Amino acid sequence: KAGVTQTPRYLIKTRGQQVTLSCSPISGHRSVSWYQQTPGQGLQFLFEYFSETQRNKGNFPGRFSGRQFSNSRSEMNVSTLELGDSALYLCASSLEGPASNQPQHFGDGTRLSIL
Amino acid sequence: AQSVTQPDIHITVSEGASLELRCNYSYGATPYLFWYVQSPGQGLQLLLKYFSGDTLVQGIKGFEAEFKRSQSSFNLRKPSVHWSDAAEYFCAVAKNNDMRFGAGTRLTVKP
Repeated sequence: KAGVTQTPRYLIKTRGQQVTLSCSPISGHRSVSWYQQTPGQGLQFLFEYFSETQRNKGNFPGRFSGRQFSNSRSEMNVSTLELGDSALYLCASSLEGPASNQPQHFGDGTRLSIL
Repeated sequence: AQSVTQPDIHITVSEGASLELRCNYSYGATPYLFWYVQSPGQGLQLLLKYFSGDTLVQGIKGFEAEFKRSQSSFNLRKPSVHWSDAAEYFCAVAKNNDMRFGAGTRLTVKP
């Protein structure tokens, strides 16, 4: 069974641009969660999608948005990029969600660098 | 407020020595509890999880963790550390579709 796939692995953008990251979950998983990981703030929850609906959202500005498609693939978009958005963005998929008895499986992340 | 605390930012142990990584949480009710490991440039791999039942949980790679309700703790242990265990370890708690991670503990293994 293929794992969680995130593309691209690396991205370099400049301030003010926008970016879209992609996540393909494990086949059959309906929940996709996104996390931002930085040295200063650690792992922070962005949002979770389940069956194309956003079920939960972390404490991030509206510049961070996402969506989920009918095949459970998810995209995350960040608009008007700031230097502080430089981070490793991790996607995780699971059958029922982060708080179920089925664990989340993580992708290797997309490393976003803002110049 | 809900929180997860890993008091040790960095731990160094000798290969073959025992290991204990600490995790404390603050939640209204007992959440689901997890330990993940992250190698450089990689995502997170699940080591073990606790939902209910036996408070001593066995995981992969020889790790175990013990849930202590009275102390709101879920400490990770390994009796004999291998050089390949050097990585960053994250404790996580989940409740109501919200998952929170501790700040992580970086483990260095001395030869």
